[in-house]
Amino acid sequence: QKEVEQNSGPLSVPEGAIASLNCTYSDRGSQSFFWYRQYSGKSPELIMSIYSNGDKEDGRFTAQLNKASQYVSLLIRDSQPSDSATYLCAVKESSNTGKLIFGQGTTLQVKP
Amino acid sequence: SQTIHQWPATLVQPVGSPLSLECTVEGTSNPNLYWYRQAAGRGLQLLFYSVGIGQISSEVPQNLSASRPQDRQFILSSKKLLLSDSGFYLCAWGRGGWNTEAFFGQGTRLTVV
Repeated sequence: QKEVEQNSGPLSVPEGAIASLNCTYSDRGSQSFFWYRQYSGKSPELIMSIYSNGDKEDGRFTAQLNKASQYVSLLIRDSQPSDSATYLCAVKESSNTGKLIFGQGTTLQVKP
Repeated sequence: SQTIHQWPATLVQPVGSPLSLECTVEGTSNPNLYWYRQAAGRGLQLLFYSVGIGQISSEVPQNLSASRPQDRQFILSSKKLLLSDSGFYLCAWGRGGWNTEAFFGQGTRLTVV
């Protein structure tokens, strides 16, 4: 059973700080990685995708991928109270079946 | 642009009753389609996914089933609901291919009583 692991948190950071969210995965052949944000009671929304080793920046968000270590992370700079949500890491299975596996999510709390 | 519709938004059903949740996608063809379930305070559990009409892969043994009668329609069903079927059911679509994201519908919150 291929797995995606995240620390459930909660991760608490003060407003303006950098929040760092981490994810590990077991499928060594996976090529596609995604971060979703889910507000309480709502459906997940895609915020970042990354396919190559290294960093990918989009506004205040930076996704980092290290395939050798099977590790994906999401950095949120200048955290705002509106960033308080659960962040879900998702990995597409290497068998190209289209199967997309999610981690349990990390709850982020940004305190004013 | 592509949109995904999922209904109903909330549902309260008695134990032993049947279930039918429907999801449709507009603005694309031959999408990958997914059903996930999220128990309270938990992550997303993949229930079924489909890469084409009539092609359904089941991930978790349970009393649920899925069907894809049309290219952009995905249905989740049960003949007899259990208390443990309560949860937040999410339909998602994605383009075929190894590097494509999935986009979610608004979800159905099911409470079995």
